[in-house]
Amino acid sequence: GQNIDQPTEMTATEGAIVQINCTYQTSGFNGLFWYQQHAGEAPTFLSYNVLDGLEEKGRFSSFLSRSKGYSYLLLKELQMKDSASYLCAGMDSNYQLIWGAGTKLIIKP
Amino acid sequence: DVKVTQSSRYLVKRTGEKVFLECVQDMDHENMFWYRQDPGLGLRLIYFSYDVKMKEKGDIPEGYSVSREKKERFSLILESASTNQTSMYLCASSRDSSSSGANVLTFGAGSRLTVL
Repeated sequence: GQNIDQPTEMTATEGAIVQINCTYQTSGFNGLFWYQQHAGEAPTFLSYNVLDGLEEKGRFSSFLSRSKGYSYLLLKELQMKDSASYLCAGMDSNYQLIWGAGTKLIIKP
Repeated sequence: DVKVTQSSRYLVKRTGEKVFLECVQDMDHENMFWYRQDPGLGLRLIYFSYDVKMKEKGDIPEGYSVSREKKERFSLILESASTNQTSMYLCASSRDSSSSGANVLTFGAGSRLTVL
């Protein structure tokens, strides 16, 4: 079956670095997405990886290893506004998204 | 600023009522989607549409129907609401499905439905 696993909750300190992991099993693979969702708000797109390696966008980076079925989202210089849920989603061979349950990130001062 | 607008942020309905959730996008996107989001579960796809008057069942279509009469509007209908349909409903759109990178979703703010 198809499945996305990510931790339910993580806590980190303002100014620090945090890595949110995601493992996936999909029927075929057409990329891995990360979205950010603040409480009570719409999810917003953060990153898309389809090739192995690291993609950097400012304070946020996303990594993909297709051979391991693994991705992570790396957040640097954490700010209080980064407190949110981070959703991992894999795209299968039919271009359908399989979603993880999300990782709630709590940032402490 | 591009937008997906959902007509109602909060609704409270009674069991058996018919419920309409409206979604409008102003980006001329081809694809539109309805998801539900429940605590501890990933987003689950209810229905989607790749074109006007087209609809496809997602993973959990039972108890729901949809309508897409115009490109910009995608409606979700609960014919007879039940308590297990209490949830957050998210509408989304994307440009096209011809390539993975074009499948970035833009979401609406959500409609929180409570069925009593």
